[in-house]
Amino acid sequence: DGGITQSPKYLFRKEGQNVTLSCEQNLNHDAMYWYRQDPGQGLRLIYYSQIVNDFQKGDIAEGYSVSREKKESFPLTVTSAQKNPTAFYLCASSTGQFSGNTIYFGEGSWLTVV
Amino acid sequence: AQTVTQSQPEMSVQEAETVTLSCTYDTSESDYYLFWYKQPPSRQMILVIRQEAYKQQNATENRFSVNFQKAAKSFSLKISDSQLGDAAMYFCAYRRFQGAQKLVFGQGTRLTINP
Repeated sequence: DGGITQSPKYLFRKEGQNVTLSCEQNLNHDAMYWYRQDPGQGLRLIYYSQIVNDFQKGDIAEGYSVSREKKESFPLTVTSAQKNPTAFYLCASSTGQFSGNTIYFGEGSWLTVV
Repeated sequence: AQTVTQSQPEMSVQEAETVTLSCTYDTSESDYYLFWYKQPPSRQMILVIRQEAYKQQNATENRFSVNFQKAAKSFSLKISDSQLGDAAMYFCAYRRFQGAQKLVFGQGTRLTINP
């Protein structure tokens, strides 16, 4: 089935560790996004990529890093510089060629600092 | 920068009744897209309805319809014949017509359906 796969579903991070959240899509979409959601709040954009080998910072990029080496993959690394990483992380994608096209979301990943 | 505001943190409605969720936004652009997304307890983000700013006609999808007031920068969602499965967080979102194709979200409204 076509869609966006995020893994792992649940991840625990110790203080000072870097962790990487995986996002893979088989929709042949050009654009991919990472959003963060804190309890009871809306989604905030971390990073986005409109084409392979290119990405831009979103509103809350500090403490995060990404790469876009392949069209179908857009992993997010939460570094030790991110002071409050506990949150729900959503990956999304769209064709990127027409702004009216729907942005599709993955099922999300929970990250907890222990 | 564009902003989206949902002034109702929580709403409740009786099953089979109609409920309206409010959304206002701020932008200096004339062309853009507006969306309503639903997030059930599973946390999956599901597109409910979208509206193109250049269209005067309000979008409808079955029991869901919007009231788009461009001059007032208002974009409300009406849910008719509410069903228990409609219970969720609802997010209003804005997307530019050109440039960065990212979504800007409001804070969300938690909708409860009372049987």
